[in-house]
Amino acid sequence: KQEVTQIPAALSVPEGENLVLNCSFTDSAIYNLQWFRQDPGKGLTSLLLIQSSQREQTSGRLNASLDKSSGRSTLYIAASQPGDSATYLCAVPQGGSEKLVFGKGTKLTVNP
Amino acid sequence: NAGVTQTPKFRVLKTGQSMTLLCAQDMNHEYMYWYRQDPGMGLRLIHYSVGEGTTAKGEVPDGYNVSRLKKQNFLLGLESAAPSQTSVYFCASRDNQETQYFGPGTRLLVL
Repeated sequence: KQEVTQIPAALSVPEGENLVLNCSFTDSAIYNLQWFRQDPGKGLTSLLLIQSSQREQTSGRLNASLDKSSGRSTLYIAASQPGDSATYLCAVPQGGSEKLVFGKGTKLTVNP
Repeated sequence: NAGVTQTPKFRVLKTGQSMTLLCAQDMNHEYMYWYRQDPGMGLRLIHYSVGEGTTAKGEVPDGYNVSRLKKQNFLLGLESAAPSQTSVYFCASRDNQETQYFGPGTRLLVL
């Protein structure tokens, strides 16, 4: 059974700092990995989706990497801003199914 | 283009009452999902649908039923609500590139 872990559970940084969020998964036989953002009281917004054949995906100040063999993904946020404050979740498919398994998220606070 | 919408936004039920949560998407997506999000448990899949007229069980299907009579709508039903079903419910749909799009959520409190 696929399990997804995100460390740390919470992170507080000053504005302008570069930071890395971590995601690990137990079953490396995945075909993609997604990173989401969730603002308080809101739904999830997809940030990046990395296919298993890719090692990186970039969108603006965000860069996600995927290392299937080690069961890890990182989300790099450059030059953090207070507007980046949110909970970030990663998710991978369970086996070959439609079921996404989510981590419990990292709550990021960027202080002005 | 409204994306994924959910109705209602908030509801209070008494134990044993029934209700239906409505999810609608205007992106012509085949795949739709219902999740629940609970503190400390994260997001868990309740049921999903791979197309009009089809439904399948997810990780925590007990106590819920679903229907997908129209491609754009995915309904989640609680026949006899229990306090354990107090949660935030999210609907999502998926595009052909496998990106999931989430609705704003429905907060349900069962007393």
